[in-house]
Amino acid sequence: DVKVTQSSRYLVKRTGEKVFLECVQDMDHENMFWYRQDPGLGLRLIYFSYDVKMKEKGDIPEGYSVSREKKERFSLILESASTNQTSMYLCASSAQTDSYNSPLHFGNGTRLTVT
Amino acid sequence: GQNIDQPTEMTATEGAIVQINCTYQTSGFNGLFWYQQHAGEAPTFLSYNVLDGLEEKGRFSSFLSRSKGYSYLLLKELQMKDSASYLCAFMDSNYQLIWGAGTKLIIKP
Repeated sequence: DVKVTQSSRYLVKRTGEKVFLECVQDMDHENMFWYRQDPGLGLRLIYFSYDVKMKEKGDIPEGYSVSREKKERFSLILESASTNQTSMYLCASSAQTDSYNSPLHFGNGTRLTVT
Repeated sequence: GQNIDQPTEMTATEGAIVQINCTYQTSGFNGLFWYQQHAGEAPTFLSYNVLDGLEEKGRFSSFLSRSKGYSYLLLKELQMKDSASYLCAFMDSNYQLIWGAGTKLIIKP
């Protein structure tokens, strides 16, 4: 089974802090994604990556950056945390295939609270 | 524009059947996904439809009508463990997923 591991389940940070959310997958997937999940809203894509050292902005990249130095690891960075970044953050990975039905495999999420 | 809509919450009885609807609008379409998410857990993949019709997978089936911009997830012989949120998402012309807000399904004994 694919395992996507997020380093922290819960985080509490102060406004202005730099925050690192780490994600590791063990199935040699090319694609990795960071989403945030807020009540009443669908998952929103922050950033994604189709290869090592490659990154693409999603729908809501402002205030975030990412790093993918190794294939299995995709890090989300909040440069200066703000209260409106309080959310559940979900990391996901998928295999690159010729079809488009490759499912996403999600981590259990990191619930970040910024005070 | 693009949008996707599904009911916020549904209640059903153990052993019964429930249908969770999902409607969407988009100019480009590359398939529709359903995921299940138990409270506090990761979403897990249930189904993918890209052609019209019904796909059956055990107790769960998923239907798609591209002309109507409509899909549903059908859950039969409901079990208490089916209590979860069900997320639908379509893949747009840029192969990006557009997600609904999820339907929270409550199963009562």
